Amino acid sequence: AQSVTQLGSHVSVSEGALVLLRCNYSSSVPPYLFWYVQYPNQGLQLLLKYTSAATLVKGINGFEAEFKKSETSFHLTKPSAHMSDAAEYFCAVSDQQAGTALIFGKGTTLSVSS
Amino acid sequence: EAGVTQFPSHSVIEKGQTVTLRCDPISGHDNLYWYRRVMGKEIKFLLHFVKESKQDESGMPNNRFLAERTGGTYSTLKVQPAELEDSGVYFCASSQDLDRRTPLHFGNGTRLTVT
Repeated sequence: AQSVTQLGSHVSVSEGALVLLRCNYSSSVPPYLFWYVQYPNQGLQLLLKYTSAATLVKGINGFEAEFKKSETSFHLTKPSAHMSDAAEYFCAVSDQQAGTALIFGKGTTLSVSS
Repeated sequence: EAGVTQFPSHSVIEKGQTVTLRCDPISGHDNLYWYRRVMGKEIKFLLHFVKESKQDESGMPNNRFLAERTGGTYSTLKVQPAELEDSGVYFCASSQDLDRRTPLHFGNGTRLTVT
């Protein structure tokens, strides 16, 4: 069965530091991959998506992610964290075997300290 | 454009009671999805409507859950009778088409607490 693993339920960084949120997926065919963010008391908002074009994908708010087929990974990065990046981040996969459903990871809560 | 709207934002009910959640998708979006996140777990798919038809309801946990989308506009998700394990955040999402590359637009969710 398809699955998404997000390593680390909580990640803490200092303002200005590199943000790295890890996501690994299992799929027998190259999937479509998404990162969503949930700010407090809000819904899920799309950060970026991989749809088999460029392997390095740029999203909103300075985030980017790189699809690595050999590592079945789609890690999310941002060079310099800002206090406003504190939120919960979800990696999700969509592929043919999952029907129309998105399969989500458990989420990673990012804390940013000053 | 107005986003996906869910009502209520919070609901606290007792075990055995009935609760109905509502979702208004983005206007013109034929595809409507329900997802649920139980505390500490992943966000999991419940079902998918295309207009008023249920395309996929493989994620519905049991027959205490009933989803409808009469007229292909808004949708309701009724839980009757509610059990403690039904507590969680229920998300609704919509999309314009069935292309898997098309991202879903999510609502803010309904937090359901069953006591």
